Amino acid sequence: AIQMTQSPSSLSASIGDTVSITCRASQDIRNDLGWYQQKPGKAPKLLIYAASALQSGVPSRFSGSMSGTDFTLTITGLQPEDFASYYCLQTYNYPWTFGRGTTVDIK
Amino acid sequence: QEQMVQSGSEVKKPGASVKVSCKLSTYAFSSNDVHWVRQAPGQGLEWVAMINPSDGSTVYAQRFQGRVTLTSDTSTSTVYMALSSLTSEDTALFYCARDTRGDLDLWGQGTLITVSS
Repeated sequence: AIQMTQSPSSLSASIGDTVSITCRASQDIRNDLGWYQQKPGKAPKLLIYAASALQSGVPSRFSGSMSGTDFTLTITGLQPEDFASYYCLQTYNYPWTFGRGTTVDIK
Repeated sequence: QEQMVQSGSEVKKPGASVKVSCKLSTYAFSSNDVHWVRQAPGQGLEWVAMINPSDGSTVYAQRFQGRVTLTSDTSTSTVYMALSSLTSEDTALFYCARDTRGDLDLWGQGTLITVSS
């Protein structure tokens, strides 16, 4: 199975900061990667698909990029509602695999 | 409004089986695969399985192979996940989610399965 190594596991940031979260795939997955946001007690929400495409309705402060097997989610100008957990998910082949998650909390 | 509505929480004893439903309120029920994702208390997300509602084809994660079974009922736009031989380690939230172009763009609200003697 493809391993997705996500880092950091947690980070503290302030409103207005720019933060980045990275996932590294254990093999080539093309751009078959999505980023999800999850708030406590809620289902995950798709933010980015195909590594860099913004899902409809998602604020433009969220962006995704890739370089080889490294994928990055960047939040530019952190807002109060962005404090949550974030997960990457590779959908290149089965079994689909998630990163272990990153919790973004308030500094 | 499109949504996926899951059945309610379940409490089961070790060794028992459980069946969870996920009803899709979209006319295009058969056009999208449906996936199940597990989240143990305080833990991350784990992909469990997938079903193509139109032809019933399935893919299961190795660790659940033999214990999980996905089925679909096109007449009611409902997908089911059955999990057998439950242990306390199966206590978790299970989500169904719609697959659109290879991404999970619509999620159910989650069903909590608690396994306790």
